Amino acid sequence: QVQLVQSGSELQKPGASVKVSCKASGYTLTNYAMNWVRQAPGQGLEWMGWINTNTGNPTYAQGFTGRFVFSLDTSVSTAYLQISSLKAEDTAVYYCARGVGVRGYLDYWGQGTLVTVSS
Amino acid sequence: EIVLTQSPGTLSLSPGERATLSCRASHSVSSSYLAWYQQKPGQAPRLLIYGASSRATGIPDRFSGSGSGTDFTLIISRLEPEDFAVYYCQQYGSSPLTFGGGTKVEIK
Repeated sequence: QVQLVQSGSELQKPGASVKVSCKASGYTLTNYAMNWVRQAPGQGLEWMGWINTNTGNPTYAQGFTGRFVFSLDTSVSTAYLQISSLKAEDTAVYYCARGVGVRGYLDYWGQGTLVTVSS
Repeated sequence: EIVLTQSPGTLSLSPGERATLSCRASHSVSSSYLAWYQQKPGQAPRLLIYGASSRATGIPDRFSGSGSGTDFTLIISRLEPEDFAVYYCQQYGSSPLTFGGGTKVEIK
């Protein structure tokens, strides 16, 4: 069965960096796009962008350029989200989600990773 | 960017009742590329509907989606206790992908 398993919660200080992992199983990572979605506390869902798992080419939504980096390690079927220069407003749950087709719907989701930024 | 507006913000209903959720787009959603997700507290969203009206794998037939262009609807024909949750629509017809603000279906 398809599963996306994300790394555990993180508590980081402002200015630090964090790397969230998303390990895919039950399917071939390179057959589907991988998307990232943010959900701030008590808020709705916000699409951050996606990575083409064949080429490794990332596409970032507005507001997620510069400090956010999507990457892959296909040898371990894992996608990554790295956030640098963390700010308090980055506190959120971050989800990876498999995309069907280019810019498609999101059929499987990771369980989410809570990133808390606090001094 | 296509803005999706969901209404109502909160729907208070009893088990067994019918729920009608609306999602209105600021511009036409191409090819009815609209999906609906359910999210329960502390859980990841779950895909319910894609292509405006196609049920995802394992989704009960009490969930149905309809609509085209700028107006879309999710109907839950008879609410079960496990259906009380927040529902989001999402368009994927144009970049960036966008989500609606959500409708909370709560127990009356």
